[in-house]
Amino acid sequence: EVQLVESGGDLVQPGGSLRLSCAASGFTFSSFWMSWVRQAPGKGLEWVANIQPDASEEYYVDSVKGRFTISRDNAKNSLYLQMNSLRAEDTAVYYCARYCTGDCLRRMDVWGQGTTVTVS
Amino acid sequence: DIVMTQTPLSLSVTPGQPASISCKSSQSLMHSDGKTYLFWFLQKPGQPPQLLIYAVSNRLSAVPDRFSGSGSGTDFTLKISRVEAEDVGVYYCMQSIRRPLTFGGGTKVEIK
Repeated sequence: EVQLVESGGDLVQPGGSLRLSCAASGFTFSSFWMSWVRQAPGKGLEWVANIQPDASEEYYVDSVKGRFTISRDNAKNSLYLQMNSLRAEDTAVYYCARYCTGDCLRRMDVWGQGTTVTVS
Repeated sequence: DIVMTQTPLSLSVTPGQPASISCKSSQSLMHSDGKTYLFWFLQKPGQPPQLLIYAVSNRLSAVPDRFSGSGSGTDFTLKISRVEAEDVGVYYCMQSIRRPLTFGGGTKVEIK
């Protein structure tokens, strides 16, 4: 079964740091782009970051550039999001998602259940 | 950034009746490769989003055929031919032609 499981969400003070993890299974993790998407309480979806299969390139939404870092360990089938200088507006459920490119036409076709980050 | 605008904000539908959601983008979503990078997701209450339709009109295999997507350029529509109770939730459109990837604000579908 194709699965993504996030962990690492917590309550953290403004200015603090947190590292989220996403464990992938059921597919060849090293072949896929991966993404983080967040959802603030009662709000819509916001794309946060993408990373290439070989981690050679990363992309971020402007609001997190310089504060968040997406990374991956293909040997461990794991995706990470290092979050520094956290702000109240970073409070959200963070989802990891498989971003399938090429013949998949850039679709986010597998999502985890999410992990909750509260900055207060 | 490409702005995705969904209407209506909410829909209340009688079971068995059709429903339609509009999504308009601030720029064309048709790439030079000929593909159009417009997607539809459903987020059921308490669940993560699930992909329903990719590249405007392609349904995932597990998605019922009462769901259909159409449109081109900057104007897109998701239609549910006969709404069922399990279709409740918030529907989002999304573009991936250009970073940052952006979502519409969502359309909440309820059952009357």
